[in-house]
Amino acid sequence: SAVISQKPSRDICQRGTSLTIQCQVDSQVTMMFWYRQQPGQSLTLIATANQGSEATYESGFVIDKFPISRPNLTFSTLTVSNMSPEDSSIYLCSARGQGDGTEAFFGQGTRLTVV
Amino acid sequence: DAKTTQPTSMDCAEGRAANLPCNHSTISGNEYVYWYRQIHSQGPQYIIHGLKNNETNEMASLIITEDRKSSTLILPHATLRDTAVYYCIVRVTTRYGGATNKLIFGTGTLLAVQP
Repeated sequence: SAVISQKPSRDICQRGTSLTIQCQVDSQVTMMFWYRQQPGQSLTLIATANQGSEATYESGFVIDKFPISRPNLTFSTLTVSNMSPEDSSIYLCSARGQGDGTEAFFGQGTRLTVV
Repeated sequence: DAKTTQPTSMDCAEGRAANLPCNHSTISGNEYVYWYRQIHSQGPQYIIHGLKNNETNEMASLIITEDRKSSTLILPHATLRDTAVYYCIVRVTTRYGGATNKLIFGTGTLLAVQP
């Protein structure tokens, strides 16, 4: 199994500012992902973080708003840019090995409130 | 994408078996069925996964029908700590049937274990 640590665990931010969330995995993994969970809702996949290249974004999410970095196999960051109250959500990092039948592990999430 | 359908909510008495159903009638032959749960204010937790055969681990059992169009997650002796949202997920495939590594969450089943 893999242990995933996210920082910060929570933050309150002013609208118009940006927040960078860090995700550290305790072992080398092939795949890393970022999800958003709005209040009372299920998880929505934002993007796949690719090592050494641009992230692959899902429909409705763009790089200018959610820039992602992944400089190595164990670390990734998600930035929420130019925040508005609608960005208030829990942001979760996930990691898994590649191939069929491999399980994914999740961090505890970052609870973001934009005021 | 193979879609899943789950009941919105279920109740279960403490100490009894909890049986959570999931329909995935459009599942492809090489797609695994995954189950995760999310306890309030925590990241999703992996429970079990399977392809064709029934599976059992220390947390639960997974029963997959012969035609693979539905499955049931069984928690043999539910406790209050099992109260959570349970997600049944079939991994996304590409347009040409190749597997991707993304896990797309549906709305899940809120299981409430009653004392």
